[in-house]
Amino acid sequence: NAGVTQTPKFQVLKTGQSMTLQCAQDMNHNSMYWYRQDPGMGLRLIYYSASEGTTDKGEVPNGYNVSRLNKREFSLRLESAAPSQTSVYFCASSEYGGRVREQYFGPGTRLTVT
Amino acid sequence: GQQLNQSPQSMFIQEGEDVSMNCTSSSIFNTWLWYKQDPGEGPVLLIALYKAGELTSNGRLTAQFGITRKDSFLNISASIPSDVGIYFCAGRPSNTGNQFYFGTGTSLTVIP
Repeated sequence: NAGVTQTPKFQVLKTGQSMTLQCAQDMNHNSMYWYRQDPGMGLRLIYYSASEGTTDKGEVPNGYNVSRLNKREFSLRLESAAPSQTSVYFCASSEYGGRVREQYFGPGTRLTVT
Repeated sequence: GQQLNQSPQSMFIQEGEDVSMNCTSSSIFNTWLWYKQDPGEGPVLLIALYKAGELTSNGRLTAQFGITRKDSFLNISASIPSDVGIYFCAGRPSNTGNQFYFGTGTSLTVIP
C-alpha cells in the first residue's frame, strides 16, 4: 500500500515549455487534489476532483489544467510554464462523504521554471 | 478563498517544554486536520477532528475542535528533537463540499 505517489520528484523547465505531473493513489479514494506550496504561503488548492469524471477549480487555477484519468490517477498539466509557477506541487486524496474526511499527501514534485 | 490564521508563525523551545498553537477561520468548519511536514517531504496527517468540542490525542499530541467551530488548537507535551518541523492546520468549511483550506504553518524548533 503505497498511499499517494507522484512523479517526477524534481523537474526543471524553461519558460514556455509544457509538462504533466502525475499522481496516483491506491486507497480507493473518490476525491483527489492538486496543491502548490510556496514559502510563507502555506498550501493553496489548484484544482480538485470530487469524484471520477468531475474536476473543479480551486483557489489558484490559472495556467494549469487537470485530468482525472480514472479513480486512481489525477494529472496536472502546465501548458506553457512561467517562472511564477516555480513551486512544490503536492497531490492529495481523500474519501468523499461519510465520517472519513481526511486528506493524505504525496511526497511532492519540486518544479523550477527558468 | 477562506482565510485561516495560524499562530504563532514560529517557535523556539527547549526540549521537554510543552507547545501550543492554534488556527482560526472566518467561517464555520465541519472538519479540522493537523499535519506535520518535514523538510523535503509531504505533509503527514497527525490528528483529525469532526465535531465541535472534540478533543483527540495522538501520543504526546492533543488537538481540539473549538466550540465556535471557527478555531482549533494543537498541543504537544514534553517536546523532543524529532518534533522539529512545520505544523499546518487545515479545515473544511461547511458550505464548500470537499475543499480544504490550509493555514500558513507554525515552524517548530526544539533546542536539545
